[in-house]
Amino acid sequence: GQSLEQPSEVTAVEGAIVQINCTYQTSGFYGLSWYQQHDGGAPTFLSYNALDGLEETGRFSSFLSRSDSYGYLLLQELQMKDSASYFCAVRGVEKVTFGTGTKLQVIP
Amino acid sequence: NAGVTQTPKFQVLKTGQSMTLQCAQDMNHEYMSWYRQDPGMGLRLIHYSVGAGITDQGEVPNGYNVSRSTTEDFPLRLLSAAPSQTSVYFCASSYSSRTSGGAGTQYFGPGTRLTVL
Repeated sequence: GQSLEQPSEVTAVEGAIVQINCTYQTSGFYGLSWYQQHDGGAPTFLSYNALDGLEETGRFSSFLSRSDSYGYLLLQELQMKDSASYFCAVRGVEKVTFGTGTKLQVIP
Repeated sequence: NAGVTQTPKFQVLKTGQSMTLQCAQDMNHEYMSWYRQDPGMGLRLIHYSVGAGITDQGEVPNGYNVSRSTTEDFPLRLLSAAPSQTSVYFCASSYSSRTSGGAGTQYFGPGTRLTVL
């Protein structure tokens, strides 16, 4: 089976940097994804890491360490619109398992 | 491209009724999946399909059936609705799970909000 852990809530100041961690236990691992979901909306894809290291996409970066079964999402230059829930998800052979999400609140 | 579309957006059922949630994608994606999301929780996989004619169970398949007769469509059927099936249902699609990224990069539909009384 697969299980993921991420913090339930994070608060950060506009313009700052925030890191959302995700640890996982899995019997088969192909990669770690991150999704953003605003209240009442659908999840939208942010990033996918299959190999160790840092992937950067604009203000968002994602990191993976396969040996530590650990990854994180880094959001820089926070904006009010970044207030949302962020989910990590493990991709197995065919199935994807989602974490329970981290609710990020950006405050002025 | 319309991406992933779902109908209806909202639905209210009585216990014991059956219905089909529709999902379609126009991106020629091989992989499609259904999730349910309950308040304050993550997404739980109900069923998935790696291509037309192939379906398999996810984490919470009981009470749901799926079929995949075409690449574009992946309907979810509730056989006999129960209050425990009150949830938001999301359909998603991605390129083949066998390619780089594959199911790690999913595109979601807008969701169907289902209430069972």
